[in-house]
Amino acid sequence: QKEVEQNSGPLSVPEGAIASLNCTYSDRVSQSFFWYRQYSGKSPELIMSIYSNGDKEDGRFTAQLNKASQYVSLLIRDSQPSDSATYLCALYGGATNKLIFGTGTLLAVQP
Amino acid sequence: GAVVSQHPSRVICKSGTSVKIECRSLDFQATTMFWYRQFPKKSLMLMATSNEGSKATYEQGVEKDKFLINHASLTLSTLTVTSAHPEDSSFYICSAPQGAQSYEQYFGPGTRLTVT
Repeated sequence: QKEVEQNSGPLSVPEGAIASLNCTYSDRVSQSFFWYRQYSGKSPELIMSIYSNGDKEDGRFTAQLNKASQYVSLLIRDSQPSDSATYLCALYGGATNKLIFGTGTLLAVQP
Repeated sequence: GAVVSQHPSRVICKSGTSVKIECRSLDFQATTMFWYRQFPKKSLMLMATSNEGSKATYEQGVEKDKFLINHASLTLSTLTVTSAHPEDSSFYICSAPQGAQSYEQYFGPGTRLTVT
């Protein structure tokens, strides 16, 4: 089992809709979770971090963490074509003490 | 967020030559920096952890004699790809946490290396 699993997509949503990106992880000790956005040919950009169970909102983005279910998600409200990118889930801490990335979900927002 | 720069952004070199890539933290000090590589349509692969004032820690399978890392100061880490071969062509990205206790890592813009 991979340490961090994401559906590779592509996830296609119409402009203005809510995009829901999901991530599961295997290491129960992990404490810190991150969402990065990566445009094609560019490096990852940190958009959200979450450390506690529940929801964390920042503008159009909401991160949700459920440690019992080992599940973290990212919701993007009012999706825009400029949100089209690969979204990488990452976690830190636990046994490895390194930032571990999922393979990413490609999001395509259709105008 | 914190700003991390990389230089060069793009480099083409001939097989057998060496290439140095610089990673700088512009508005903060970083005792630790990380080097990743990414192949097309693949996720990031951690190569090594660069530690200021001490030796780098390499991930399993990464040749330390081929990928030389030097963390000369609190704001600069360099990665030198020695005797480059076409299979070393990749996107190399560094990152740094903003603060010793921070888990949030900020990435440089990356260096695209092409070995001909």
